[in-house]
Amino acid sequence: GESVGLHLPTLSVQEGDNSIINCAYSNSASDYFIWYKQESGKGPQFIIDIRSNMDKRQGQRVTVLLNKTVKHLSLQIAATQPGDSAVYFCAENNYGQNFVFGPGTRLSVLP
Amino acid sequence: EPEVTQTPSHQVTQMGQEVILRCVPISNHLYFYWYRQILGQKVEFLVSFYNNEISEKSEIFDDQFSVERPDGSNFTLKIRSTKLEDSAMYFCASRDRGLNTEAFFGQGTRLTVV
Repeated sequence: GESVGLHLPTLSVQEGDNSIINCAYSNSASDYFIWYKQESGKGPQFIIDIRSNMDKRQGQRVTVLLNKTVKHLSLQIAATQPGDSAVYFCAENNYGQNFVFGPGTRLSVLP
Repeated sequence: EPEVTQTPSHQVTQMGQEVILRCVPISNHLYFYWYRQILGQKVEFLVSFYNNEISEKSEIFDDQFSVERPDGSNFTLKIRSTKLEDSAMYFCASRDRGLNTEAFFGQGTRLTVV
């Protein structure tokens, strides 16, 4: 049988398409947010961050959008590549306290 | 590029035994963390450490757990009397200051309790 906890939301995209991964965060007082990428058997790896006084931030192929009104964060990956296949976590931080991670989304890039 | 290193990468222990997981944070960092990830689940906060003391801990971090920074470079997590449900990946992280900076994670220690 299947184990509880292994059913991560999965996003499958074609190589070259854009990906959008969403996250609902929990604490309206959180002031700093990070997207982490986790490949199998490895630790979370920083992708991009955003502070609460911003609503958009762009990186090399990634964009993070923050909507504080509805406590929503999204990660957009342009021209998704096979190496982007991983689990993506959003993490929120409240004035320097610990990071609280979201449940994660598995991104699967199809050839 | 500086990185957080953790040892061992995999630890197998019998139920009831004590284990010590070791971490070397990035050298100029001030804040240290332990997180746990049960297979296929999200990353859960255990404890944070600053200025040689625990600054915050979760409800998971009960008397079974303790942390120490014995020599100014290593940061350890001790788990006493291990249980089967302690089996997980344990990640150490560090950050150089408290506000608006990312935490850098190590590669983790896979703990298997048998």
